[in-house]
Amino acid sequence: AAGVIQSPRHLIKEKRETATLKCYPIPRHDTVYWYQQGPGQDPQFLISFYEKMQSDKGSIPDRFSAQQFSDYHSELNMSSLELGDSALYFCASSKPGQPNSPLHFGNGTRLTVT
Amino acid sequence: DAKTTQPPSMDCAEGRAANLPCNHSTISGNEYVYWYRQIHSQGPQYIIHGLKNNETNEMASLIITEDRKSSTLILPHATLRDTAVYYCIVRGYHQGGSEKLVFGKGTKLTVNP
Repeated sequence: AAGVIQSPRHLIKEKRETATLKCYPIPRHDTVYWYQQGPGQDPQFLISFYEKMQSDKGSIPDRFSAQQFSDYHSELNMSSLELGDSALYFCASSKPGQPNSPLHFGNGTRLTVT
Repeated sequence: DAKTTQPPSMDCAEGRAANLPCNHSTISGNEYVYWYRQIHSQGPQYIIHGLKNNETNEMASLIITEDRKSSTLILPHATLRDTAVYYCIVRGYHQGGSEKLVFGKGTKLTVNP
């Protein structure tokens, strides 16, 4: 079965640079979620989109923005990168019209800021 | 904030059942109990979820107490590949789309040969 696809798998950036992470949800899933997981930490919710509109927001820095496109894929844009942004970034998706549809996660993008 | 309490770590012998407890004493009537696991640096993997009835699938069983204040995830025959951090998550209903998951600390399960 198709899973959530994230690209790139690994990304190395320098401080103050920008980065764009992409997420392709499972086909016909309309809700996308972004999570950040720092070293030794648990996944922290950043933001979610439902039908291309932002549906919920967590502890996402103002330097970060995200959107969901007409084909339901999503991009997380990160500017003015800081060393503390080094983390695993996971995207997840869930089925439409089912509030308790499980989230299915991709294998993440590992961002390293040097 | 996470609404669940789990032991930080547990050990289990390979081939034996692993029983992972979770307390969620403040759970509301429309909130589900979800279990996920995360094998080192991989994306969290969905295991099972339930509202009030016990549930079973090909991966595990979920036992929820009658008062719904606690639950137990059972891996019937643990293997070395089940070594992971297991997260018990209480998830509510979100108007418009689906509610996010809020991860707590989880239980680090180590399956020993």
